[in-house]
Amino acid sequence: EVQLVQSGAEVKKPGESLKISCKGSGYSFTTYWIGWVRQMPGKGLESMGIIYPGDSDTRYSPSFQGQVTISADKSISTAYLQWSSLKASDTAMYYCARQSVYCSGGSCYSAHIDYWGQGTLVTVSS
Amino acid sequence: QLVLTQSPSASASLGASVRLTCTLNSGHSSYAIAWHQQQPEKGPRYLMKLNSDGSHSKGDGIPDRFSVSSSGAERYLTISSLQSDDEADYYCQTWDTGIWVFGGGTKLTVL
Repeated sequence: EVQLVQSGAEVKKPGESLKISCKGSGYSFTTYWIGWVRQMPGKGLESMGIIYPGDSDTRYSPSFQGQVTISADKSISTAYLQWSSLKASDTAMYYCARQSVYCSGGSCYSAHIDYWGQGTLVTVSS
Repeated sequence: QLVLTQSPSASASLGASVRLTCTLNSGHSSYAIAWHQQQPEKGPRYLMKLNSDGSHSKGDGIPDRFSVSSSGAERYLTISSLQSDDEADYYCQTWDTGIWVFGGGTKLTVL
């Protein structure tokens, strides 16, 4: 069974650093892109960026480039999302998700999100 | 730039059917999409993937009441025999090399 299990809720002050995690199990962690998705209170889903744990190739959405760092440790099947200096506006629920793969004619392609983590609530308040 | 457009809200009565629409922007009408459901106070859940030719696949345990179809740049999710726990936000999602894109979501109210 594929599972993405995220770390627990965090309460931080502005200016503090934070690293949250997403541990994958039940599949080959290194061969699927994993992404992070932000959901601010009462708002929709926003893609922050994705990482391929096999080689740590990372792509950021323009709005989040330079604002966060996405990384992965394939030895423990875990992806991370980190901030060096949190702002109140970072208060949100953060989800990790797996991008599926389909294979056709001997080639394989990334496709839709097929599994989600349970979410990590980050609250930044003085 | 890849953009998905959804109506902000929809409503239908218990036991009825409803069709939600997701529209791909110009130049991207051949893209596949996925539908995700987010019930109140819960995380998103993958429902179904839909290709431009109408071929599709479902997530684990998704009932047959959920179906999808395509027409041009529009992708549809139809929910039949509406139940109270179908009341949720529904997001369409697509992808390209290195990027994920979400629609703004449709809030479905079951009357």
